[in-house]
Parts: sequence; structure tokens; C-alpha cells
Amino acid sequence: GPKVLQIPSHQIIDMGQMVTLNCDPVSNHLYFYWYKQILGQQMEFLVNFYNGKVMEKSKLFKDQFSVERPDGSYFTLKIQPTALEDSAVYFCASSSGWQDTQYFGPGTRLLVL
Amino acid sequence: QQQVRQSSQSLTVWEGETAILNCSYENSAFDYFPWYQQFPGEGPALLIAIRSVSDKKEDGRFTIFFNKREKNLSLHIKDSQPGDSATYFCAASASSGSWQLIFGSGTQLTVMP
Repeated sequence: GPKVLQIPSHQIIDMGQMVTLNCDPVSNHLYFYWYKQILGQQMEFLVNFYNGKVMEKSKLFKDQFSVERPDGSYFTLKIQPTALEDSAVYFCASSSGWQDTQYFGPGTRLLVL
Repeated sequence: QQQVRQSSQSLTVWEGETAILNCSYENSAFDYFPWYQQFPGEGPALLIAIRSVSDKKEDGRFTIFFNKREKNLSLHIKDSQPGDSATYFCAASASSGSWQLIFGSGTQLTVMP
């Protein structure tokens, strides 16, 4: 099926540093999402993005978070500065249309020390 | 408060049995219910989905039974195979404006040979 890629697969950084998580969505998809999963807990929605704009975000999407997709390249999640509680697996997803199937990437495991 | 609840954290069945995974939800506005299958180290992959206008959706060995009045649904996996061992997430979304998927906490299924 359609593949979403995420780079890197793992990232370890010190608290207070900046981190950028990269997502390569399915090629013809127009809607992009980030979800956060803390170990042993459910996956939680962070944000969705369409046509260059954030359409919806949850309370987990703190001011330190930002997303963009410059010139149709990677869809990125940037955290600046990072905090200990940002340690989690971050999943990117994309869909071709609104309420269409969301295809997920394998996740980026972020550890903030 | 969990909007989507999966009653069992884990379930073990024998090969060839039917595995039944249960899910309930709070929000009456939810009208789309996908089930995702996730193997360790991978992202969740869509298995099967149902919309609230239907009470049953079948795809091969996988069937969703949906009860709108009771706000619950179940995923039945017929003739379970060891390769079905994975974590299964029930999710929900509402077509009335929200773009996000709300996930349950997952049921880890183990199929014993």
C-alpha cells in the first residue's frame, strides 16, 4: 500500500535543544497529520495541515511546536525548545482527501534527556 | 476522559479461533470508525473501517459489528493466525468539521499456534 516515510527513526537530544522531525508523505496526498504516542499510551492527535496552513490542532500542540511543508518537500514538525515531556514516538500520516484513509509512517522515536 | 475506549488491554486466542476486540465511544458525533493494526516498530496500518450508516462491514477474515444505539463496536477476526498477533487500535472521527482521529489505547492480540 501507500508508504509514508519518516526521518530519522530515532533521535536523542538534550532538553532545550531544537529538533526537526521529517515526514515524506504519500506523493499525491494533500492532507498531513502529526500524532504523538507516549510509551504504553494511546496515540493522540497533534495537528493537521492542508494547503500550507494548520487546519486544526490539539492542546498537546504547544507554542514550542511548529509545522511546515516548504515547496512540497518534507512535512516537518519542529520542537523548539524541547522539554522532557516531549519524549515520545511521533507518527506522521497523510491522506488524499478530507476524511479519507490516513496512512501512517513508522514513527520517529524521540528521547529528550 | 477517554472518548474511545478499548476494554481489553490484551487478548490471547488459539490459532483458528475467532478473536473479538471490543471498542466503545462517548461522542455521538463520531461517524467514521477505522481499525488499525500495528506491529512492533511499525506505524499503524488501516485494517478495516465502517461508517455509522452501516451496522456491519466485512473484509475477508475481518468483520466490524457496529451498534450505534449502544455506542459500541467490535472487530472479529475469524480463523486467527499467529501472523495476526499485533496491537489493534479502534479509532473514531466526526465528519462534522473535525479532521482528527481519536484513538483507543489498543488491544494487544496474541494468537498462539
